[in-house]
Amino acid sequence: EPEVTQTPSHQVTQMGQEVILRCVPISNHLYFYWYRQILGQKVEFLVSFYNNEISEKSEIFDDQFSVERPDGSNFTLKIRSTKLEDSAMYFCASSEMGGIIYSNQPQHFGDGTRLSIL
Amino acid sequence: AQKVTQAQTEISVVEKEDVTLDCVYETRDTTYYLFWYKQPPSGELVFLIRRNSFDEQNEISGRYSWNFQKSTSSFNFTITASQVVDSAVYFCALSEGRGSTLGRLYFGRGTQLTVWP
Repeated sequence: EPEVTQTPSHQVTQMGQEVILRCVPISNHLYFYWYRQILGQKVEFLVSFYNNEISEKSEIFDDQFSVERPDGSNFTLKIRSTKLEDSAMYFCASSEMGGIIYSNQPQHFGDGTRLSIL
Repeated sequence: AQKVTQAQTEISVVEKEDVTLDCVYETRDTTYYLFWYKQPPSGELVFLIRRNSFDEQNEISGRYSWNFQKSTSSFNFTITASQVVDSAVYFCALSEGRGSTLGRLYFGRGTQLTVWP
């Protein structure tokens, strides 16, 4: 069964450094998402992406964050200058369809990247 | 205000017991979608089920069943004859039909289910 792949599984970075988290969504999916989960807390939406642009972002997704689809397969999340509070599990997700009509399509999640900021 | 409330933080049962995980949601949309995801100790999020707001039929899949009641804004999840492998955090999530056009998921805080042998 096709799956969403995330690399690395664990990233340790010094505070203030830039970090790029990588995701390969399921190949025929068109809608991409990033979520994060601080240890022991709920999963929180960061951003959604379709047709090479951001569709929606949450209040968490400030100027330090950016997303990109540099080629036909990868979807990346960049944190420009990491802070201690960025330490979390970051999940990438993708769905085949989206939009108001199709928002019931399930989002399939990757295994996550655990980001630790020192 | 929380869009999805999972009041049970932790539940412990003994194998073969039935267990129900509660989920209460809040939305002003008439069209919305509800989901359950499982997060085992390994950390990944596994999709279990989705329901849309127009379909209140309960669903059964093996030992899993879901009870959707619009009158009480609840979407509860029951595991029958629980097994140790069911031990995980279970998240209920909501996607609204307006505004956020790409189906942003609002998650509850999750319920940690521990099944003892």
